[in-house]
Amino acid sequence: AQKVTQAQTEISVVEKEDVTLDCVYETRDTTYYLFWYKQPPSGELVFLIRRNSFDEQNEISGRYSWNFQKSTSSFNFTITASQVVDSAVYFCALYNAGNNRKLIWGLGTSLAVNP
Amino acid sequence: EAQVTQNPRYLITVTGKKLTVTCSQNMNHEYMSWYRQDPGLGLRQIYYSMNVEVTDKGDVPEGYKVSRKEKRNFPLILESPSPNQTSLYFCASRALAGSYNEQFFGPGTRLTVL
Repeated sequence: AQKVTQAQTEISVVEKEDVTLDCVYETRDTTYYLFWYKQPPSGELVFLIRRNSFDEQNEISGRYSWNFQKSTSSFNFTITASQVVDSAVYFCALYNAGNNRKLIWGLGTSLAVNP
Repeated sequence: EAQVTQNPRYLITVTGKKLTVTCSQNMNHEYMSWYRQDPGLGLRQIYYSMNVEVTDKGDVPEGYKVSRKEKRNFPLILESPSPNQTSLYFCASRALAGSYNEQFFGPGTRLTVL
């Protein structure tokens, strides 16, 4: 069965703190893709990153970084020096071609960054 | 500009009054789908379509219909809306050729059924 677990429902931090959002996935496939999306209060879904199962290199994009570890089936997302504008719901998602080609979504982590 | 558009963005209606939420994409994508998002339940797929005239049920299809007469359009139809269909709806599209391609989302339609 395919499954994505985001154990943290809500996180609250103070601006400039670092914060890590956890994502654990389950799949039997060897080829799959993992994603993070951001949903700000305005409601739209913003694509952040895609990682395929053969690429375990960590990714850094400005204050954002992602740690993909196949050994623990995790794809964690860290925001360094958080800002108020980072306040949003963050979704992790899993895709493999064998599952009607759809994304399997985690339930999301609501991040509040307070000034 | 590559985009997925949805209309209306906001809709308040009453139980039983048929409605259609339109979705259109300008990227010539084969795959289109509809999701609903509810607090605590995340995003759940309602219907999807692999190409024109090819549609299939997702995880929560009850109470919804779709059609795919043209490649660019994928309307979501609620024949007899009920209050439990109050939700935030997203349309999405992506190309199917090759490995996984980025999924593009519409801006969302916030539906309230009274």
